[in-house]
Amino acid sequence: NAGVTQTPKFQVLKTGQSMTLQCAQDMNHNSMYWYRQDPGMGLRLIYYSASEGTTDKGEVPNGYNVSRLNKREFSLRLESAAPSQTSVYFCAIRSRGTGDHEQYFGPGTRLTVT
Amino acid sequence: AQSVTQLDSQVPVFEEAPVELRCNYSSSVSVYLFWYVQYPNQGLQLLLKYLSGSTLVKGINGFEAEFNKSQTSFHLRKPSVHISDTAEYFCAVSRMDSNYQLIWGAGTKLIIKP
Repeated sequence: NAGVTQTPKFQVLKTGQSMTLQCAQDMNHNSMYWYRQDPGMGLRLIYYSASEGTTDKGEVPNGYNVSRLNKREFSLRLESAAPSQTSVYFCAIRSRGTGDHEQYFGPGTRLTVT
Repeated sequence: AQSVTQLDSQVPVFEEAPVELRCNYSSSVSVYLFWYVQYPNQGLQLLLKYLSGSTLVKGINGFEAEFNKSQTSFHLRKPSVHISDTAEYFCAVSRMDSNYQLIWGAGTKLIIKP
């Protein structure tokens, strides 16, 4: 998980509350991703950003917004949390360099919505 | 559309026994293939990857995987497991033409019996 940090590590929200999950990298990579992980479902892509200032929807974007204001940071916002958003959220990064197609993950944020 | 199938949700195996975790994928275009490991309460870490060349790929911690294009499989193997291998293992596929987004399998929990 070196190079990718996520805050907070844990969060409990009440239904309807909002919050922002933060992700920061020090590896100078272009692409950044937000996933959610639910038991038995692997990882599902919420949003991704190919470069600073650009974002695109992934498989499950509903209920989320993202912001990529600079190369280093990519935030995920829940405007009105719902119990269905209880999950573990992972941020990942990837280099555009040839030969390096793997993604590097942060330690995750465990979110519970009651 | 791509998909990744991990055929076993759990694989129990005795310590020092061999193990194979199965992964099959479907894609109409060429892909890159990855195995990631997730230890309890941690993020994901790359075990190994297949980009091109030799179809037998060696990774960290004594794991290896073989790419079989005709069977669209990328099974993960280890000749002798240890208690420290207890983790969840994820197979992922990246299309070469889709900004390298990863499509994930649902995961296989490796349970080591003493």
